[in-house]
Amino acid sequence: DTEVTQTPKHLVMGMTNKKSLKCEQHMGHRAMYWYKQKAKKPPELMFVYSYEKLSINESVPSRFSPECPNSSLLNLHLHALQPEDSALYLCASSQDVARRGQPQHFGDGTRLSIL
Amino acid sequence: GIQVEQSPPDLILQEGANSTLRCNFSDSVNNLQWFHQNPWGQLINLFYIPSGTKQNGRLSATTVATERYSLLYISSSQTTDSGVYFCAVEGGGADGLTFGKGTHLIIQP
Repeated sequence: DTEVTQTPKHLVMGMTNKKSLKCEQHMGHRAMYWYKQKAKKPPELMFVYSYEKLSINESVPSRFSPECPNSSLLNLHLHALQPEDSALYLCASSQDVARRGQPQHFGDGTRLSIL
Repeated sequence: GIQVEQSPPDLILQEGANSTLRCNFSDSVNNLQWFHQNPWGQLINLFYIPSGTKQNGRLSATTVATERYSLLYISSSQTTDSGVYFCAVEGGGADGLTFGKGTHLIIQP
């Protein structure tokens, strides 16, 4: 699904760095999601935004800070990450989380490595 | 939360063979999607199929919602079909997809 664009594609950072992952969609969707996928594991839900408001935070550590500046854009701010946070971070969007039953469209992901 | 089980976990086939992948889920769902994750990590959406049957080329899928399972059929396999196939559902009153552990498919030439 190339309608959801994630940048950067790869990111290497130290444990003391601050960086951000960016996700953008122009399909008019009002729900956006962050998933984390460790090697050889399935993706796991981290956050859900509905109409730019955080609706679900799956007990994610505070070193991950999501932000939804507008309905097309979703950021994930990273600070003081640990080596175990190395993973593929996937962004997705759907038409409307309130009207459940809408398919989710995924970006290609950002592969994050923590040194 | 909702549970998703996929079988088989691994499958090795020769090119040209047919295969059936299964997904069982523990609660009623309003979204079920099948994905193919390629070796580069891209999640390719194959089907959105909370119920019924759909076909797309060599691939088809059937979901029997009342019995809480879905099947993905791959016919005349090609080496490019290799990768991990995930079933993901949304249901049980929760938002966001819950993924099964996937089926790792290897198609040998």
